[in-house]
Amino acid sequence: DTEVTQTPKHLVMGMTNKKSLKCEQHMGHRAMYWYKQKAKKPPELMFVYSYEKLSINESVPSRFSPECPNSSLLNLHLHALQPEDSALYLCASSQQFVPGALYGYTFGSGTRLTVV
Amino acid sequence: GQQLNQSPQSMFIQEGEDVSMNCTSSSIFNTWLWYKQDPGEGPVLLIALYKAGELTSNGRLTAQFGITRKDSFLNISASIPSDVGIYFCAGLPNTGTASKLTFGTGTRLQVTL
Repeated sequence: DTEVTQTPKHLVMGMTNKKSLKCEQHMGHRAMYWYKQKAKKPPELMFVYSYEKLSINESVPSRFSPECPNSSLLNLHLHALQPEDSALYLCASSQQFVPGALYGYTFGSGTRLTVV
Repeated sequence: GQQLNQSPQSMFIQEGEDVSMNCTSSSIFNTWLWYKQDPGEGPVLLIALYKAGELTSNGRLTAQFGITRKDSFLNISASIPSDVGIYFCAGLPNTGTASKLTFGTGTRLQVTL
């Protein structure tokens, strides 16, 4: 299995709703990431988890709450979002580089989030 | 956040033509990655470069890691319609367990028949 699986693929939520995005990988990668991508822009890092611990938070508002229940799963809990939070949310995972092996920094297909 | 300078911003080419794009940075990176992104999908890794001066191929794609470690180039030979998409370079400071990718601004490629 060489994939990062994200669910749901599309999500529409109101500003008072609470929802969660889910990400799963079974490649044994010990680092997992959340990126946010606005239209016609490159992905921007939000959070980094290393060995299930939060290692980087790029000053993301508290209405976004990440969680890493185990080494294969990564969640992003959403609460009280604003319309400007509408974007493509990408999950990624990576492994430590091993000489002779193809380095993997793999992205999922993303969740298209619309906040109304 | 920091972005890498990627050029050109967009390209319109005919099928069969070769394509070149590049990425420059004010900072040194120890690894360069090139991704392709289709609309509504996540970026897909095309090529990874680990050493300064390295030249690596993946089918019709060839990428080079600049000697200064501050730039990288991607060439696509004999373009076909399925090459359409956005190409991103990305730099990594290291390839440890967890590393922050710094992305280029992207090159949008359109291929006409």
